[in-house]
Amino acid sequence: NAGVTQTPKFQVLKTGQSMTLQCAQDMNHNSMYWYRQDPGMGLRLIYYSASEGTTDKGEVPNGYNVSRLNKREFSLRLESAAPSQTSVYFCASSDPGTANTEAFFGQGTRLTVV
Amino acid sequence: AQRVTQPEKLLSVFKGAPVELKCNYSYSGSPELFWYVQYSRQRLQLLLRHISRESIKGFTADLNKGETSFHLKKPFAQEEDSAMYYCALSGVSGNQFYFGTGTSLTVIP
Repeated sequence: NAGVTQTPKFQVLKTGQSMTLQCAQDMNHNSMYWYRQDPGMGLRLIYYSASEGTTDKGEVPNGYNVSRLNKREFSLRLESAAPSQTSVYFCASSDPGTANTEAFFGQGTRLTVV
Repeated sequence: AQRVTQPEKLLSVFKGAPVELKCNYSYSGSPELFWYVQYSRQRLQLLLRHISRESIKGFTADLNKGETSFHLKKPFAQEEDSAMYYCALSGVSGNQFYFGTGTSLTVIP
């Protein structure tokens, strides 16, 4: 029972470098999310995808792009990393409209931009 | 607009003492409320949700629509309760989850 799997777990980037964070879920959920977690700021929504083929901006989308590749996978891309993007990133998924509307989270990606 | 407010960033209690983590929300309609817990360097996991009205690990939370609150309570805190707690709200469409800023609970032995 893998649930939500994120890769990589840790990453160090230089300013200006690009990278893609991968996320996959095996629960057949329609909705997927990317959050960033910063001290004192809690979890802030970057982007979400309500269904395959759709994506929408959350609270803090600037500097990020996403792709809902298929129902299972939702990737987050940093085109030109900045130190302000140093954070812990969490992917999550849920199945709205069902009895279980809770969000299931991945283990997180700790990203440092130097 | 701030939909979920957790006024306490840090909360320390002694082992065996009662604990209450506050959560207030702002949302038109009937949201679904949750409490998530994150133990040190682990993923967030669901602690409880208001519709199930259950007690998990001794914690309970009652939805008060009049006060728009969903406070988390436990009568006797344990050391293993030390963690970060997040209150969360899911809207009518269920397509978004809004999280509070979290409360870091420390239970002092």
